[in-house]
Amino acid sequence: DQQVKQNSPSLSVQEGRISILNCDYTNSMFDYFLWYKKYPAEGPTFLISISSIKDKNEDGRFTVFLNKSAKHLSLHIVPSQPGDSAVYFCAAPSNTGNQFYFGTGTSLTVIP
Amino acid sequence: EPEVTQTPSHQVTQMGQEVILRCVPISNHLYFYWYRQILGQKVEFLVSFYNNEISEKSEIFDDQFSVERPDGSNFTLKIRSTKLEDSAMYFCASRGGWVGGSEAFFGQGTRLTVV
Repeated sequence: DQQVKQNSPSLSVQEGRISILNCDYTNSMFDYFLWYKKYPAEGPTFLISISSIKDKNEDGRFTVFLNKSAKHLSLHIVPSQPGDSAVYFCAAPSNTGNQFYFGTGTSLTVIP
Repeated sequence: EPEVTQTPSHQVTQMGQEVILRCVPISNHLYFYWYRQILGQKVEFLVSFYNNEISEKSEIFDDQFSVERPDGSNFTLKIRSTKLEDSAMYFCASRGGWVGGSEAFFGQGTRLTVV
């Protein structure tokens, strides 16, 4: 049962434009969401998070939006840079914190 | 900046052999995890560990797998008798556990190749 879903396996964006990565979840009990960035042959790197009491969290070029009624979150990167090319995972911890549920990832390519 | 360290970076082993993957979590973190990613597939949860015991494990984490925190700094994953399908990147992660410390920090991974 895939509790966190990323339906777009890949995305290509021109340098300088906005990248929008989407994520849906099924468990309405999730109250915290995270985005990780992963380069090939490396571990996931924490990028940004959002609590369910907020609908937006911003950190530099990265903004995460949360729509609880739609059970949807998105990561916006603006402006996109070639170094942003990586696989992006959204994740949510279980209520006990014993497990993080990961989406299947979206591979972002930023074209110079 | 504190980081999770994993060794070795790459391990090649023969089918049926035992392997131990090692991790040094961020000091003063309380929760520890092992995940794996088979090439081209999703990141899969294996096990979580807190207060010197397993707190949750997945179906993947069968009797061939075990975890240990032998000395308060290392966190190890042992696979007793490796199979070809155990070939994957194995990631260790740790989490603080206090309010606001909800993100898990991952190591660089160990690539396990079973031949």
